[in-house]
Amino acid sequence: AQSVAQPEDQVNVAEGNPLTVKCTYSVSGNPYLFWYVQYPNRGLQFLLKYITGDNLVKGSYGFEAEFNKSQTSFHLKKPSALVSDSALYFCAVRPFYDMRFGAGTRLTVKP
Amino acid sequence: DVKVTQSSRYLVKRTGEKVFLECVQDMDHENMFWYRQDPGLGLRLIYFSYDVKMKEKGDIPEGYSVSREKKERFSLILESASTNQTSMYLCASRERLSNTEAFFGQGTRLTVV
Repeated sequence: AQSVAQPEDQVNVAEGNPLTVKCTYSVSGNPYLFWYVQYPNRGLQFLLKYITGDNLVKGSYGFEAEFNKSQTSFHLKKPSALVSDSALYFCAVRPFYDMRFGAGTRLTVKP
Repeated sequence: DVKVTQSSRYLVKRTGEKVFLECVQDMDHENMFWYRQDPGLGLRLIYFSYDVKMKEKGDIPEGYSVSREKKERFSLILESASTNQTSMYLCASRERLSNTEAFFGQGTRLTVV
């Protein structure tokens, strides 16, 4: 089965520090991988995606993600965290028509 | 911008009621989805539709049905609501192309009492 896993329920970082939110995947064939963010009482917003090509993908709000085929990972990163980045982050994989999500990682950025 | 609109933000229903959750998208997307979101479980796929009148079961279809009579509208139906269906429900839509992202509605928080 095609799936993603987010090994950390919670990530805490100080404002201005770099942040990483981890995601690993299990996919047969070439993976289509996505990151979404959810603010309180809102739907999910698309951040970035990896389809093919450059392993470093840049997305919205200064986020980027690194695709690593040998480690089957797609970690979300940002060089300098903001308090406003505090939210719930989801990694997702697209097997066919549907899209499968990880359990989510709650990011808290403290001033 | 794509807009996916869910008919209600908050709903409170009684056990045994038939419940309809409506979702409308305005970008002529072929694919539409219903997810359920619960703490610690992430998003779980209930049903999806890849065309009008076409539907496929997701991971947790039990107790739910769907209807897609028009391309822009995808309805989720709880045939007889139960307390374990209290949850956040998210609708999404996407183009048919395999590399496109999905767009989500704002969610409906359903409480069954």
